[in-house]
Amino acid sequence: QQQVKQSPQSLIVQKGGISIINCAYENTAFDYFPWYQQFPGKGPALLIAIRPDVSEKKEGRFTISFNKSAKQFSLHIMDSQPGDSATYFCAAVTNNAGNMLTFGGGTRLMVKP
Amino acid sequence: GEEVAQTPKHLVRGEGQKAKLYCAPIKGHSYVFWYQQVLKNEFKFLISFQNENVFDETGMPKERFSAKCLPNSPCSLEIQATKLEDSAVYFCASSHSPGSYEQYFGPGTRLTVT
Repeated sequence: QQQVKQSPQSLIVQKGGISIINCAYENTAFDYFPWYQQFPGKGPALLIAIRPDVSEKKEGRFTISFNKSAKQFSLHIMDSQPGDSATYFCAAVTNNAGNMLTFGGGTRLMVKP
Repeated sequence: GEEVAQTPKHLVRGEGQKAKLYCAPIKGHSYVFWYQQVLKNEFKFLISFQNENVFDETGMPKERFSAKCLPNSPCSLEIQATKLEDSAVYFCASSHSPGSYEQYFGPGTRLTVT
């Protein structure tokens, strides 16, 4: 059972455009939702995270929007740059399950110059 | 250190051989997590430690996998009698405790079982 569903699997955006990646979850016990960025051959790097009592969080060009009633959250990358080309993973954590990360399936983003 | 360190970077084992992977968490971090990433990018949680104590091992295939975090030593993940399906990248992550959900990942160890 996939507890965190991520879409799309791949995304192509022109430089300067907005990249949008969506995730949906089922477990209402999740209480922390991070996004990770992974470049080929590297480990995932924590990008931005949100807790369910907040509807939006912005850090630079990256914004998380969170809809608790719909059990959905999304990552927006504004002014996308070729250097943003990577695989992005949403994840969720519940503190009554050992703080383990439950990952979405990943989105491969390509930003064209 | 300021980064999670993992060794070796690559490991090749014949089917049935033993594989041992190492992880040094960020200094001061009390939680260590092991994840397996297979070819389709899917991450699978294996085990977590709070200092040297197993915190959660619900993801571990216990018949062949074992892990330890001993004081003053890198953490280790050992696979006895490797199988072809064990081929994956194994990531270690660490987290500062208590109550911090931020996990910082190492560069991973790519295990290839032939």
